[in-house]
Amino acid sequence: NAGVMQNPRHLVRRRGQEARLRCSPMKGHSHVYWYRQLPEEGLKFMVYLQKENIIDESGMPKERFSAEFPKEGPSILRIQQVVRGDSAAYFCASHYTLTDPEAFFGQGTRLTVV
Amino acid sequence: AQTVTQSQPEMSVQEAETVTLSCTYDTSESDYYLFWYKQPPSRQMILVIRQEAYKQQNATENRFSVNFQKAAKSFSLKISDSQLGDAAMYFCAYVRGLGSQGNLIFGKGTKLSVKP
Repeated sequence: NAGVMQNPRHLVRRRGQEARLRCSPMKGHSHVYWYRQLPEEGLKFMVYLQKENIIDESGMPKERFSAEFPKEGPSILRIQQVVRGDSAAYFCASHYTLTDPEAFFGQGTRLTVV
Repeated sequence: AQTVTQSQPEMSVQEAETVTLSCTYDTSESDYYLFWYKQPPSRQMILVIRQEAYKQQNATENRFSVNFQKAAKSFSLKISDSQLGDAAMYFCAYVRGLGSQGNLIFGKGTKLSVKP
């Protein structure tokens, strides 16, 4: 059973471009969380999704950021018109069920905006 | 709002010695879980140990153990017989309990160095 897969591992974008980060949860997991880790900081919650539904996006900036988790395929975190402040590591984590508190993390995507 | 505080940005330990990392949290919930995650340079978040708030017994996983003081809202991690491979960032994390949304709340982390 493969773990949580994120790609790409490293992504470099120029200011103003779009960044697309992908997350394939563990097989059978239907709950996906995205977190952002700024340098020298802990992870901060961004958004919680189930298949085809955004459950909680309270941690996500209102502009330029969006997330989806379609019926088929990976979850996508999309950042439009990136700025230098978006440079960070972005992690996704999946849970088997809502009542299972253990999160399984991917290796993260390091986004660098130049 | 729930918060998690790690007051030690950096710690150092001699190989084979014991070290304790501190964590305090604030919550008004009675049902929750606490975790310690290890993040080596590879960036992978590795679960070290978990504690259910309703359990009075402190969790133990091999060389790792916790001191869970619910009334004091304290959750420290003890690493015994430290090894070079234990060098990493360690994050304390909190999540509300059953039936609730499960987003983790993390502390800022403690960087652990292990000296040979």
